[in-house]
Amino acid sequence: EIVLTQSPGTLSLSPGERATLSCRASQSVISSHLAWYQQKPGQAPRLLISGASTRAPGIPDRFSGSGSGTDFSLTISRLEPEDFAVYYCQQYGSSPPGSTFGPGTKVDIK
Amino acid sequence: QVQLVESGGGVVQPGRSLRLSCAASGFTFSNYAMHWVRQAPGKGLEWVAVMSYDKKNEYFADSVKGRFTISRDNSKNTLYLQMNSLRTDDTAIYCCARGVPPANWYFDLWGRGTLVTVSS
Repeated sequence: EIVLTQSPGTLSLSPGERATLSCRASQSVISSHLAWYQQKPGQAPRLLISGASTRAPGIPDRFSGSGSGTDFSLTISRLEPEDFAVYYCQQYGSSPPGSTFGPGTKVDIK
Repeated sequence: QVQLVESGGGVVQPGRSLRLSCAASGFTFSNYAMHWVRQAPGKGLEWVAVMSYDKKNEYFADSVKGRFTISRDNSKNTLYLQMNSLRTDDTAIYCCARGVPPANWYFDLWGRGTLVTVSS
């Protein structure tokens, strides 16, 4: 099973600042099999990025994803008040079929 | 309205069983793979199980394999999760989620979840 590690655990920033979140895999992940989600308290997660870098419909272009192999990142270019939330990376595999999530990075207001 | 609504959660003793349901509306349920994902209180997300749109394929996380089964009734637009031999570490909010074609392993629609508490 591929284990995903996210860093930092908490990121304290101010609105307007740039946020860079890291997701590291215990073994190589096919780029098309990596996604990012945003979750706010009391809400279901929202798909932000699939295929490591493709924004989901309706996701603002301040969100961008990149990376390959074992190292992936999510960047929020300028934090808006509504961006303060927990972010999870997710990977899936086909041998055997399954999926794992990282432990999450909380982006909170400094 | 495009939505997923889970039901069936509750408090159950260790070793007992529970069946969860997920009612879909506003989209063609029979076209999509459907998943269960859980979140223990204050914790992260854990994928649990998936069933393909045509019921031909199903896969489970190792943590629930052999204890949980997944099924769906496309005529009723409903997904199910049968949970047997429940353990205290199965305590979580259980959400159903829709898989995005063609990969089917990204989740673009989630329910709000139903809470399962396993406790003596």
